Amino acid sequence: AQSVTQLGSHVSVSEGALVLLRCNYSSSVPPYLFWYVQYPNQGLQLLLKYTTGATLVKGINGFEAEFKKSETSFHLTKPSAHMSDAAEYFCAVGVPYGNNRLAFGKGNQVVVIP
Amino acid sequence: EAQVTQNPRYLITVTGKKLTVTCSQNMNHEYMSWYRQDPGLGLRQIYYSMNVEVTDKGDVPEGYKVSRKEKRNFPLILESPSPNQTSLYFCASSLFPSAGELFFGEGSRLTVL
Repeated sequence: AQSVTQLGSHVSVSEGALVLLRCNYSSSVPPYLFWYVQYPNQGLQLLLKYTTGATLVKGINGFEAEFKKSETSFHLTKPSAHMSDAAEYFCAVGVPYGNNRLAFGKGNQVVVIP
Repeated sequence: EAQVTQNPRYLITVTGKKLTVTCSQNMNHEYMSWYRQDPGLGLRQIYYSMNVEVTDKGDVPEGYKVSRKEKRNFPLILESPSPNQTSLYFCASSLFPSAGELFFGEGSRLTVL
């Protein structure tokens, strides 16, 4: 079964600084990888996803992530944090068959400091 | 507008009083699922449904029931709620049952006293 590790439940970043959220996955087959964002009092929405092809994936709001098979990682980055980026971010892993049972990480709560 | 709608959004109830959280999607998705979100634990899947009349257990199904009589609806039933079911619940749907994008509802915050 696949799984995801996200370290550091709370991440503080200064406005204008780099946002880096780490995600490492475990999967016995080539994975599908996702980042979801949850704004306060809202459901999760998809930021970006990797299925096949280009390993650098660009998403909404200036975020991007790179799939590195050798490191089993899918870290999320944004060059310059904005106050509106304050939210909780979840990494998830799935496989290209079966019941769509994504395995979610425990999430990173991002705080942006003015 | 494409959406997943959950009701109620907030509910306070007492131990043992049966309740149902409704979920409806207007995207004609075959796949639907329920998750609970708890601090420090992320999202855990309760039940999922691949299609009408097809449901299966997720990671934490104890104390919950579901039904899928129509494609658009997937209610979550707590027959006898207990305080450990106090949580934030999310319904989600997807077009492809093979790790495609999940569309989430806005959540239902349940407190069981």
